[in-house]
Amino acid sequence: QQQVKQSPQSLIVQKGGISIINCAYENTAFDYFPWYQQFPGKGPALLIAIRPDVSEKKEGRFTISFNKSAKQFSLHIMDSQPGDSATYFCAPSINPGNTGKLIFGQGTTLQVKP
Amino acid sequence: NAGVMQNPRHLVRRRGQEARLRCSPMKGHSHVYWYRQLPEEGLKFMVYLQKENIIDESGMPKERFSAEFPKEGPSILRIQQVVRGDSAAYFCASSSPGEKLFFGSGTQLSVL
Repeated sequence: QQQVKQSPQSLIVQKGGISIINCAYENTAFDYFPWYQQFPGKGPALLIAIRPDVSEKKEGRFTISFNKSAKQFSLHIMDSQPGDSATYFCAPSINPGNTGKLIFGQGTTLQVKP
Repeated sequence: NAGVMQNPRHLVRRRGQEARLRCSPMKGHSHVYWYRQLPEEGLKFMVYLQKENIIDESGMPKERFSAEFPKEGPSILRIQQVVRGDSAAYFCASSSPGEKLFFGSGTQLSVL
């Protein structure tokens, strides 16, 4: 049962470039769409999240784009930096504030070359 | 604020032994969650606890695994009679009601 599918599996971007990671989901009941960032040896940390009533949210260099009809959302990292090199997970869920039950994608390993 | 504290960071067990993983939530957090991460995979939800109560254990294997969050002290994830397939990173997260989750740095369990 694969509810969440991320792509690409890995990504190499030059410093200053744009990194784009996609997440496709099946469950139309999802109402919370976050992206998590994980560095080696650390737990994932919430990077940015969106609710389904908006189509885009921007926080600094990070933007989430949400397409409800296509059941997809994406993470865009503008002006990518070597410090952004990490694994990124989408983790859509239903009312996670009450359940804490996130459905993680398989992850995308991003490498930003200097 | 020390964040979510997990220990040990690394745990090595032989097949058939017991593994105990501990998690101290962030100060003020009453909700604890355990997730498991296999190599090259995303995290998988295991269990959600509040003080002295298991709220949702739908992700817990039916046998050998148990979790508790006592009134005093850390949350414990216990794995009895470990097998090689239990080797993974186990992450604990905590939150206040309705708020976002904060994850610890995990315990890497290796079963020989």
